[in-house]
Amino acid sequence: DTVLTQSPALAVSPGERVTISCRASESVSTGMHWYQQKPGQQPKLLIYGASNLESGVPARFSGSGSGTDFTLTIDPVEADDTATYFCQQSWNDPTFGGGTKLELK
Amino acid sequence: QVTLKESGPGILQPSHTLSLTCSFSGFSLSTYGMGVSWIRQPSGKGLEWLASIWWNGNTYNNPSLKSRLTVSKDTSNNQAFLKVTSVDTADTATYYCAHTTGRGYYFDYWGQGVMVTVSS
Repeated sequence: DTVLTQSPALAVSPGERVTISCRASESVSTGMHWYQQKPGQQPKLLIYGASNLESGVPARFSGSGSGTDFTLTIDPVEADDTATYFCQQSWNDPTFGGGTKLELK
Repeated sequence: QVTLKESGPGILQPSHTLSLTCSFSGFSLSTYGMGVSWIRQPSGKGLEWLASIWWNGNTYNNPSLKSRLTVSKDTSNNQAFLKVTSVDTADTATYYCAHTTGRGYYFDYWGQGVMVTVSS
């Protein structure tokens, strides 16, 4: 399995810039995707192919990276962005990171 | 507009077989490149991909669960199915189905999920 590692939690203030990282145990090229999940809801696709913004997702969200290191950036952060963010790779059988819980101060 | 909705038993006993249905609209599983995947999430935990079925009937299962999973589809009724055999308490989770395309094997539309509890 390709293991994806995310930091468990972050706390930022509204209006700030936040970067959420995801590291893969082996290269996944640009086969990395990002999801937002709010409590009690299903995940929502934000970024596909490492850097492509899904239709309807605010331009405050962006993704970057290739190989083993990837980043989801939210700039500026808004109160509604409180959620858990998951990365997922598709280079091999799909696997997900453990999620990063974003809290606002 | 793509929508998906899962349905299932809610609760079942250990060693039994879990059967789930995904009813969808807005796409056809007979169209080239289309797929439906199953993903589960234990309460408060992360996401685990289980299996996918594609427009051409090909199926792919998570190797860690491979022998326990069966995915199938009914193209004419826009449904996909998942069976999990020999369930135990570790299979307690919310189960999602999601639209998947061959363009990148990501999950762009998700159902609301169905909670499944395995308990005696």
